[in-house]
Amino acid sequence: GDSVTQMEGPVTLSEEAFLTINCTYTATGYPSLFWYVQYPGEGLQLLLKATKADDKGSNKGFEATYRKETTSFHLEKGSVQVSDSAVYFCALGSNTNAGKSTFGDGTTLTVKP
Amino acid sequence: GAVVSQHPSWVICKSGTSVKIECRSLDFQATTMFWYRQFPKQSLMLMATSNEGSKATYEQGVEKDKFLINHASLTLSTLTVTSAHPEDSSFYICSATVTGGPQETQYFGPGTRLLVL
Repeated sequence: GDSVTQMEGPVTLSEEAFLTINCTYTATGYPSLFWYVQYPGEGLQLLLKATKADDKGSNKGFEATYRKETTSFHLEKGSVQVSDSAVYFCALGSNTNAGKSTFGDGTTLTVKP
Repeated sequence: GAVVSQHPSWVICKSGTSVKIECRSLDFQATTMFWYRQFPKQSLMLMATSNEGSKATYEQGVEKDKFLINHASLTLSTLTVTSAHPEDSSFYICSATVTGGPQETQYFGPGTRLLVL
């Protein structure tokens, strides 16, 4: 079945450091890929998505490229801020039923001033 | 756009009582909504798919008589936790897809934290 493997956390960085959170997936067909962010005590917010191979999703300085050849969707940001501290979830979408999305286990990011 | 709200944001109740959680799509119509449960430091677990005008589809292991779902309109789905017990304490999150929009993209509510004493 479909699966998502995320880089284990927690990840602690200093402000302005470069961020990479690895995400690889196993899937049949050509699913859409997502990154969600969850701030403490809140629900998930869609951060970015890519719907086909070589697409790059970007938002708020975060980027991820849909790499079919390596089945990866790594999240990157060039310079993190304290406000980026949150839990990040990589997800593989179902083209027929969004609720059947497969989520990674989440990676907790803490950015220190 | 595509904002989903949940009410209440948190609730504390006594064991044996029932609790209703509302999920609303504020600026779009949602034929389909989803209910998730999230335990501390864990990922989301899909509980059920809520379909407007029809019965919800429950995931394996989720008691349909325990977690009643009603999707009465294109903008509202409710989850009622009946005869709640302390083990039902959790963070409940709903999401929705836009009717006629890309069905792989879901928009999440802010969540409802339930504590059963």
